[in-house]
Amino acid sequence: RKEVEQDPGPFNVPEGATVAFNCTYSNSASQSFFWYRQDCRKEPKLLMSVYSSGNEDGRFTAQLNRASQYISLLIRDSKLSDSATYLCVVNSGGDYKLSFGAGTTVTVRA
Amino acid sequence: GAVVSQHPSWVICKSGTSVKIECRSLDFQATTMFWYRQFPKQSLMLMATSNEGSKATYEQGVEKDKFLINHASLTLSTLTVTSAHPEDSSFYICSASRGENIQYFGAGTRLSVL
Repeated sequence: RKEVEQDPGPFNVPEGATVAFNCTYSNSASQSFFWYRQDCRKEPKLLMSVYSSGNEDGRFTAQLNRASQYISLLIRDSKLSDSATYLCVVNSGGDYKLSFGAGTTVTVRA
Repeated sequence: GAVVSQHPSWVICKSGTSVKIECRSLDFQATTMFWYRQFPKQSLMLMATSNEGSKATYEQGVEKDKFLINHASLTLSTLTVTSAHPEDSSFYICSASRGENIQYFGAGTRLSVL
């Protein structure tokens, strides 16, 4: 079983729509969780960290469910510029190593 | 802050040659640097973890003699793909950490081996 699993999508949504997707992780001892964004042929960029109580950054809301071992990302009022692959990232140890999901592709259309 | 520079961004080479990729943290000292490889439509796969002044720790299945990592200073790590072959063609990305769980990524190097 992969350490981090994501629905690859793609999620095709119109501008202004809300899109949400989850990611599951296998290691119950995982401590830190992140969403990264990766554009085609570019490096991943940190979108937001995910906190236990859930957190929001503008149009982006992240939730963590430790009991079910998943995290979620919700994007409100989608913009064309939100089109990208969103990587779920989990840190499971004290050595700063990260495990990446394969990504969820979101395409926002005009 | 937290800028990581990776060079070159794209390299094409003949089979059998060696390719060196540099990763620099420009505005911070990186306690740890990481090297990843990413094939199309797949996740980033960690190849090795590198700490300044010590030997790199390689992930299972990654040949240390094939992928030489040198971390000479707190701001520079290099990855050398020795005797590259077409199956080594991939997107190689480095990242740097300044002692926290957040990693800052270089722009990646696209390697094409003919």
